[in-house]
Amino acid sequence: GENVEQHPSTLSVQEGDSAVIKCTYSDSASNYFPWYKQELGKGPQLIIDIRSNVGEKKDQRIAVTLNKTAKHFSLHITETQPEDSAVYFCAASSEEYGNKLVFGAGTILRVKS
Amino acid sequence: DTAVSQTPKYLVTQMGNDKSIKCEQNLGHDTMYWYKQDSKKFLKIMFSYNNKELIINETVPNRFSPKSPDKAHLNLHINSLELGDSAVYFCASSPGQGQGQFFGPGTRLTVL
Repeated sequence: GENVEQHPSTLSVQEGDSAVIKCTYSDSASNYFPWYKQELGKGPQLIIDIRSNVGEKKDQRIAVTLNKTAKHFSLHITETQPEDSAVYFCAASSEEYGNKLVFGAGTILRVKS
Repeated sequence: DTAVSQTPKYLVTQMGNDKSIKCEQNLGHDTMYWYKQDSKKFLKIMFSYNNKELIINETVPNRFSPKSPDKAHLNLHINSLELGDSAVYFCASSPGQGQGQFFGPGTRLTVL
């Protein structure tokens, strides 16, 4: 089955700097890669996703890149703000395994003001 | 206005008891899910239903039984609760399989 590894486990950045979180996946059949943000005491919130037929997707300060050959994808947050502080999860799924989302272990992002 | 709602938000109970968690979505989605998030924040899928039909059933003890009375509801019943069942349980829904999932606020279950 699919295995998703996520790095780093914690990330501290200064307000205004950029943050990058990286994930690798094992199943070459995976074709859907969402990113979730989870604030304390809340459920995960979908912030951006990408499918395997696209190499990059951007939404304001957030972008995701996908390298299918290397089987890794990354979340980029520019001009970070204190409200970006949260736990971020990457995930991957494939139709082969019933579109089951397999999550990474999460990254705690702290934005210092 | 809540898209995916769960009740209760907190559940504290004794070992051996039976409890249920309810989930409702008003997004008109076809697919619903149950996830377990452990103390290390690791998220793992338990079940998935599409149009009331079970499509994903991970290696979950048969003490856990999901029930979907209609497309908008997916409840989780847990028999003979054990200490290891303590976790946060999230319900989620998506328009269809392989599409973005929207999570509920979670139910924190504590088994004493």
